[in-house]
Amino acid sequence: AQKITQTQPGMFVQEKEAVTLDCTYDTSDPSYGLFWYKQPSSGEMIFLIYQGSYDQQNATEGRYSLNFQKARKSANLVISASQLGDSAMYFCAMRTYNFNKFYFGSGTKLNVKP
Amino acid sequence: DVKVTQSSRYLVKRTGEKVFLECVQDMDHENMFWYRQDPGLGLRLIYFSYDVKMKEKGDIPEGYSVSREKKERFSLILESASTNQTSMYLCASSFLHKKVSKVSRLGGAGELFFGEGSRLTVL
Repeated sequence: AQKITQTQPGMFVQEKEAVTLDCTYDTSDPSYGLFWYKQPSSGEMIFLIYQGSYDQQNATEGRYSLNFQKARKSANLVISASQLGDSAMYFCAMRTYNFNKFYFGSGTKLNVKP
Repeated sequence: DVKVTQSSRYLVKRTGEKVFLECVQDMDHENMFWYRQDPGLGLRLIYFSYDVKMKEKGDIPEGYSVSREKKERFSLILESASTNQTSMYLCASSFLHKKVSKVSRLGGAGELFFGEGSRLTVL
């Protein structure tokens, strides 16, 4: 069975500090992709970053980086220099290529304090 | 600008009514998905389709059906709405995984593109 686990329902971070959002996954498929999405209070889903299972280096996109530890099956999102606009719900997702499906975690609500 | 459009942002229906949720994408994506989002449960897959007239059940298909007569359109149908189907419904689309390559173009990672969501209340 494919599964995504986000164990932090809510987190607080001080503005300008870095924060790590946890994500672990479980799959038997050797080929998969890991994604992070941001959902602000407006409800739209915004794609942030992607990591392929065969990628050797951790993905980075601006202030976002993905700490990929394949052996531990974890794909944590690191946001550097948090901004007030980062306050949102964050979802980790996995796409397995044999099954062509996307699986989502339950999300982490991040609040950035001024 | 790439777009996934859901027909209704807000709907209020009565128990037993038939409900249609429409989704249209303009990106020539093969895959289309319907999710429902509930607090604390994240996004749960209802159905998805990888081609016209093709569909596969997700994790929670009971009480739902889908239709994909054209590549760009994917409809979710609640045959007889019930109060436990009150939720936010999200439509999404993506390229087939065979087209996934290095992230050098929009959609190249195989990421999902989402509509704005349809909030359904069943009374």
